[in-house]
Amino acid sequence: KAGVTQTPRYLIKTRGQQVTLSCSPISGHRSVSWYQQTPGQGLQFLFEYFSETQRNKGNFPGRFSGRQFSNSRSEMNVSTLELGDSALYLCASSLRGVKTDTQYFGPGTRLTVL
Amino acid sequence: DAKTTQPTSMDCAEGRAANLPCNHSTISGNEYVYWYRQIHSQGPQYIIHGLKNNETNEMASLIITEDRKSSTLILPHATLRDTAVYYCIVSGGADGLTFGKGTHLIIQP
Repeated sequence: KAGVTQTPRYLIKTRGQQVTLSCSPISGHRSVSWYQQTPGQGLQFLFEYFSETQRNKGNFPGRFSGRQFSNSRSEMNVSTLELGDSALYLCASSLRGVKTDTQYFGPGTRLTVL
Repeated sequence: DAKTTQPTSMDCAEGRAANLPCNHSTISGNEYVYWYRQIHSQGPQYIIHGLKNNETNEMASLIITEDRKSSTLILPHATLRDTAVYYCIVSGGADGLTFGKGTHLIIQP
């Protein structure tokens, strides 16, 4: 079974621009979570989608948003990019997103904001 | 989610068993213990998880104390490719996984 895929793998943007990242979960998985990893803050939870609905959200500003499609694929969008948004963005999928489900991570998208 | 405490770094000789400890003294009865590892700049890789019984899979063993306040991840025969940051996480699921700083395990040749 194919793993979680994320596109693009690398991205360079300038301050003020917006960016969209894509995540395709493992086949059959309906929950998709997004995380941000920076050297200073470590791995932090952004939000989680299940059946096209955002169920949970971490402590991030409204510039960070996402959506999920009927095929469970998910996108996250960051508007008005800031230098501090430079990070590795990780997507993880699980069957239903409950405590007993294991989350499987993709390789990440490395975003650099100049 | 309960907080976890792990050593910042550990060394282990190649071929020996690597034992990574984790304290989670505030864990509640329905919270699971998960272990992930992350090799530099890659996505975290799931290793193993458990509730109260010891668990073993093809990658590792997980030993959870009877009071569930601590656990140990055991890599039975460490190789250089096991050099990574290992994260012990309690609970997770729909609320998202709460990652700490993890343990940087260095396998020495």
